[in-house]
Amino acid sequence: QKEVEQNSGPLSVPEGAIASLNCTYSDRGSQSFFWYRQYSGKSPELIMFIYSNGDKEDGRFTAQLNKASQYVSLLIRDSQPSDSATYLCAVPPGNQFYFGTGTSLTVIP
Amino acid sequence: NAGVTQTPKFRILKIGQSMTLQCTQDMNHNYMYWYRQDPGMGLKLIYYSVGAGITDKGEVPNGYNVSRSTTEDFPLRLELAAPSQTSVYFCASSYSQGPESGNTIYFGEGSWLTVV
Repeated sequence: QKEVEQNSGPLSVPEGAIASLNCTYSDRGSQSFFWYRQYSGKSPELIMFIYSNGDKEDGRFTAQLNKASQYVSLLIRDSQPSDSATYLCAVPPGNQFYFGTGTSLTVIP
Repeated sequence: NAGVTQTPKFRILKIGQSMTLQCTQDMNHNYMYWYRQDPGMGLKLIYYSVGAGITDKGEVPNGYNVSRSTTEDFPLRLELAAPSQTSVYFCASSYSQGPESGNTIYFGEGSWLTVV
């Protein structure tokens, strides 16, 4: 069973819409969760981390965590063409740091 | 403020050759990682280290070796290169994974390796 799973997409949304990205994880002991954005040909960069159940907001980004259901999601409000990238969910069980396969997002002007 | 530095950025290897990807960080991080990313795919953990002298296998360690003689350096060795090792390699580092501190990992810019 994969540690972290994401819908690979691609996901397309019109400019100004809300993009919703989902991630499920297998290790119930995981305590912190990270969302990264990766532009083509670049290294991943951190968008948000979350460790408590519920929502965490940062600008246009909202991370949602549900430990009972073992999923974490990322909402991007007022999507912009510059948000077009691959979004990676990361879960660090213990000393390792596992990434999902990523969801490719395209925001259409 | 260099962060995580990887060299070389691009390399072409012939089948059966060996090489070392260099990685160094100047943030005094305990944890270091090597990932590979195949085209259109996610990151796969090759090896990681929680401190000098300590290394452990990740998801895809076969065909690779690492060492961690200092806190700063974490080289990745490819022995007998194969076409299946054509990929982008990312080195990364972090302090630790304290859950509430959000100690994320910081990535190098990547090394593009082609084996022909």
